[in-house]
Amino acid sequence: DVVMTQSPLSLPVTLGQPASISCRSSQSLVHSDGNTYLNWFQQRPGQSPRRLIYKVSNRDSGVPDRFSGSGSGTDFTLTISRVEADDVGIYYCMQATQWPLSFGGGTKVEIK
Amino acid sequence: EVQLVESGGGLVQPGGSLRLSCEASGFTFSNYWMRWVRQAPGKGLEWVANINEDGSKQSYADSVKGRFSISRDNTRNSLSLQMISLRAEDTAVYYCARGPNLDTWGQGTLVTVSS
Repeated sequence: DVVMTQSPLSLPVTLGQPASISCRSSQSLVHSDGNTYLNWFQQRPGQSPRRLIYKVSNRDSGVPDRFSGSGSGTDFTLTISRVEADDVGIYYCMQATQWPLSFGGGTKVEIK
Repeated sequence: EVQLVESGGGLVQPGGSLRLSCEASGFTFSNYWMRWVRQAPGKGLEWVANINEDGSKQSYADSVKGRFSISRDNTRNSLSLQMISLRAEDTAVYYCARGPNLDTWGQGTLVTVSS
């Protein structure tokens, strides 16, 4: 099974400053169809998860452009260019390239 | 508006059974894989099961294989998760989610397994 490892576990950020979350997979996430099925989710306190980014770098509809995804192979990053109060929550990466799908352990973003 | 609404959660004793439902609206349900994902209190996300578009293929996490059964009724835009032989470690919020890459989630339903 593919193990997804996120860092850091906790990320205190100053409002207006950038934030980056790392996600590493134990195996390459490049599918035989050429796509890389690495997704990012945001879970605000008390809410369901919401997908932000799919296939590494594609923003979902309605997601602010301050969120961006990058990476390839086994190494991926979610970046928030300027953190806002609304961004507080836990962020998860998830791979759907190999069965079974698997999630990272989560990164808690909080305001300093 | 695309929407998923789960129901059926509750308190059940160890060894008991429960059936969760997920009602879909705002999209052509029969065109999508569907998945169940759970989240134990204060913990991360865990994939539980998925089913293909016409219901002919299901797969399960090892932790629930043989105890949980996923099914769907495309005429009613409905997804189900039948859970038997429940254990304390099955206590979680259960979410249904759309597609292989989980582009839409429901609000979740809480299952508590306790005596």
